[in-house]
Amino acid sequence: DAGVTQSPTHLIKTRGQQVTLRCSPKSGHDTVSWYQQALGQGPQFIFQYYEEEERQRGNFPDRFSGHQFPNYSSELNVNALLLGDSALYLCASSFGAGWGTEAFFGQGTRLTVV
Amino acid sequence: GDSVTQMEGPVTLSEEAFLTINCTYTATGYPSLFWYVQYPGEGLQLLLKATKADDKGSNKGFEATYRKETTSFHLEKGSVQVSDSAVYFCALSGDSNYQLIWGAGTKLIIKP
Repeated sequence: DAGVTQSPTHLIKTRGQQVTLRCSPKSGHDTVSWYQQALGQGPQFIFQYYEEEERQRGNFPDRFSGHQFPNYSSELNVNALLLGDSALYLCASSFGAGWGTEAFFGQGTRLTVV
Repeated sequence: GDSVTQMEGPVTLSEEAFLTINCTYTATGYPSLFWYVQYPGEGLQLLLKATKADDKGSNKGFEATYRKETTSFHLEKGSVQVSDSAVYFCALSGDSNYQLIWGAGTKLIIKP
């Protein structure tokens, strides 16, 4: 049973460019959340997708957008990249409509903006 | 808003020592509480969880008890091993809130 898979694992982009990160949830999971983890800090919630809709959003600008596909996989898009967007981006999947459920994490995509 | 505070690291211990990593939280209602672990070069893994007051989560020799009166969820292990070296994160999921709110993480270093 594959867990949560993210691609790519590493990425280098230039300021002002756009980037798309991808996530496939654990088998049987229907909910995908995205987090940003700066070096030495805890993850920060970007948003969560359930039934192809953004269900909740954290304190991130509109440059951060996402999508969930019918097969529950998800994309995170970041436009007009800033140096401060350099971080580890984590995808987490879970099951169901409730809160407080266990989330399973992928290994992340390390984004470096130069 | 909801928040999690955990002790700063790094915490350095000798093998077989007793471990405590403190975690306190601020939240309305009855959040679920979690400890996640991040081993070097790996993703976050759920270590244990507790969903209501006085629940004790346990896994791999680690334990944590949900104390609502002190708003705490301290992580303990009786005898640590070198393989326990990792970064440990305390997190909560509040009522009517789908996001996990995280502490800053505590780096644990176990020396042989």
